[in-house]
Amino acid sequence: GNSVTQMEGPVTLSEEAFLTINCTYTATGYPSLFWYVQYPGEGLQLLLKATKADDKGSNKGFEATYRKETTSFHLEKGSVQVSDSAVYFCALSDSGAGSYQLTFGKGTKLSVIP
Amino acid sequence: DGGITQSPKYLFRKEGQNVTLSCEQNLNHDAMYWYRQDPGQGLRLIYYSQIVNDFQKGDIAEGYSVSREKKESFPLTVTSAQKNPTAFYLCASSISWDRGNEQYFGPGTRLTVT
Repeated sequence: GNSVTQMEGPVTLSEEAFLTINCTYTATGYPSLFWYVQYPGEGLQLLLKATKADDKGSNKGFEATYRKETTSFHLEKGSVQVSDSAVYFCALSDSGAGSYQLTFGKGTKLSVIP
Repeated sequence: DGGITQSPKYLFRKEGQNVTLSCEQNLNHDAMYWYRQDPGQGLRLIYYSQIVNDFQKGDIAEGYSVSREKKESFPLTVTSAQKNPTAFYLCASSISWDRGNEQYFGPGTRLTVT
């Protein structure tokens, strides 16, 4: 079956530090990959996505590259801000199981301190 | 503004009572979903609907029911048969049930059953 594994948090960084949140996946077909962000008490917002190997998704200074050879989709940002404090979810959508439902990782909580 | 609305934001019920959570979207999306979020467990799919008058069980459908009588609406009923109903419930929609189509989430309803 499909699965997504994220690095466990919480992750605490100082403002302007470099961020990496690791995400690896297992899929039976050719998945699309997503990063969602959840701010406290709110729903999830799509941050970025990639639909095929070597695609790079980017948004708001965040980037992630779809690496088929390592089955990874690590999230990076060069300089984090306090406003980036949130929970980040890696997810995949794959037809291999006969459906396209999203499979989520457990989330990584990021706290950025001034 | 197009989007997904969920109401209410907070809901309190006594054990043994059924409760219905509202989800409305004006994005003209065909597919809608319900997820349950528990601390440290990511999101788990309860039910999904690919089109009006059709819905399918997700990974944890026991103790829940849904209907899809209108394209815009996908209410979720948490029945007294759900053993541990206290959680954060998220509704989502996507253009269609198709690989790569990202899901858009509502703000969520936090249900507390005592």
